[in-house]
Amino acid sequence: DSGVTQTPKHLITATGQRVTLRCSPRSGDLSVYWYQQSLDQGLQFLIQYYNGEERAKGNILERFSAQQFPDLHSELNLSSLELGDSALYFCASSTQTGRETQYFGPGTRLLVL
Amino acid sequence: QKEVEQDPGPLSVPEGAIVSLNCTYSNSAFQYFMWYRQYSRKGPELLMYTYSSGNKEDGRFTAQVDKSSKYISLFIRDSQPSDSATYLCAMSASRDDKIIFGKGTRLHILP
Repeated sequence: DSGVTQTPKHLITATGQRVTLRCSPRSGDLSVYWYQQSLDQGLQFLIQYYNGEERAKGNILERFSAQQFPDLHSELNLSSLELGDSALYFCASSTQTGRETQYFGPGTRLLVL
Repeated sequence: QKEVEQDPGPLSVPEGAIVSLNCTYSNSAFQYFMWYRQYSRKGPELLMYTYSSGNKEDGRFTAQVDKSSKYISLFIRDSQPSDSATYLCAMSASRDDKIIFGKGTRLHILP
């Protein structure tokens, strides 16, 4: 168990809908990262927050947004969902910005029908 | 050319064999190299982390980086069925730079 929690574990929704994925980092970790994992693209970095502030952006679509709250938990919002958004979404956390020491959560499996 | 290339496998080897997993990359700026292990329906977990070239050993695992060839390897000695998982290589140019992952190699250790 990495200490990173993610809810929900599974999510089934329809195209055009909006969903929110939630992540609680390990105790003491200030950085939260979001990743998308699909069979064809592999693990893709989406966005990083550090102590409430956006720190880095990766391949995140404009339909997606995230935020980190004062208690350091983070939410990833996915809107106008398309079939191609079906994937595993992982949250990871690290103590500072040392990205090489990230601890991953169990993921949220999103299926868009 | 993709930044990080990794053979997806699957790679099947008998229990007790030495396993060699590899990645090649194109960006010469990469300095930090990692190997993650991902079990089915779980998140990746960091196995090995190396900086720049050279070898690093941790128990049955050895990570090797050859920056001149842009090639990294992970060796698993005395492989066990519990080593069956997908292994992802990952790298970045600096501690603050985004990490680029390979697509992973599926490994099966046959009892």
